[in-house]
Amino acid sequence: SQKIEQNSEALNIQEGKTATLTCNYTNYSPAYLQWYRQDPGRGPVFLLLIRENEKEKRKERLKVTFDTTLKQSLFHITASQPADSATYLCALDRGSQGNLIFGKGTKLSVKP
Amino acid sequence: EPEVTQTPSHQVTQMGQEVILRCVPISNHLYFYWYRQILGQKVEFLVSFYNNEISEKSEIFDDQFSVERPDGSNFTLKIRSTKLEDSAMYFCASRERQKNTEAFFGQGTRLTVV
Repeated sequence: SQKIEQNSEALNIQEGKTATLTCNYTNYSPAYLQWYRQDPGRGPVFLLLIRENEKEKRKERLKVTFDTTLKQSLFHITASQPADSATYLCALDRGSQGNLIFGKGTKLSVKP
Repeated sequence: EPEVTQTPSHQVTQMGQEVILRCVPISNHLYFYWYRQILGQKVEFLVSFYNNEISEKSEIFDDQFSVERPDGSNFTLKIRSTKLEDSAMYFCASRERQKNTEAFFGQGTRLTVV
């Protein structure tokens, strides 16, 4: 069955540094991959979607890469701020009806 | 900005009771979903709904669960006889298209079964 792993459960960094989060998947070849942000007690909020034929995608301070050979996506937040502190979820489209498989998430803490 | 709304935000129920969780998806979206998240665990797919019928469901979505779109706006999840292990956050989501678009999630209903 398809598996997604987000290698770090938690990541602590200093404000202003770049946060890099990793998502690995197995037994699947997704056409695209998505990243979401989840705050405590709230629903996931969409951040970025990257297609299999795109190596990299950017949105403001966010950057996502997608390596289909390594079966890996990296998610970067540059010039991180305390407000970026949240859990970041990687998600793949699995079924024919667009349901998502989520990783367990990486909890990012940005210290001032 | 359009959003998915869910009610109630918190529901406490006795084991064995029926609960109905309600959602209003974004109006021009065609694909609707329920997910759940047990405390400390990952977000898990339950069921997808399109064209007024279930299009896919996970092994979690057993006979105790049902979904309905009773009118043009509401989308409900019913759990017939709740168990302690049904305690979780339940998220409704909708998508404009089947693929290649983001999913919009509601804020969730926290279901506590006692």
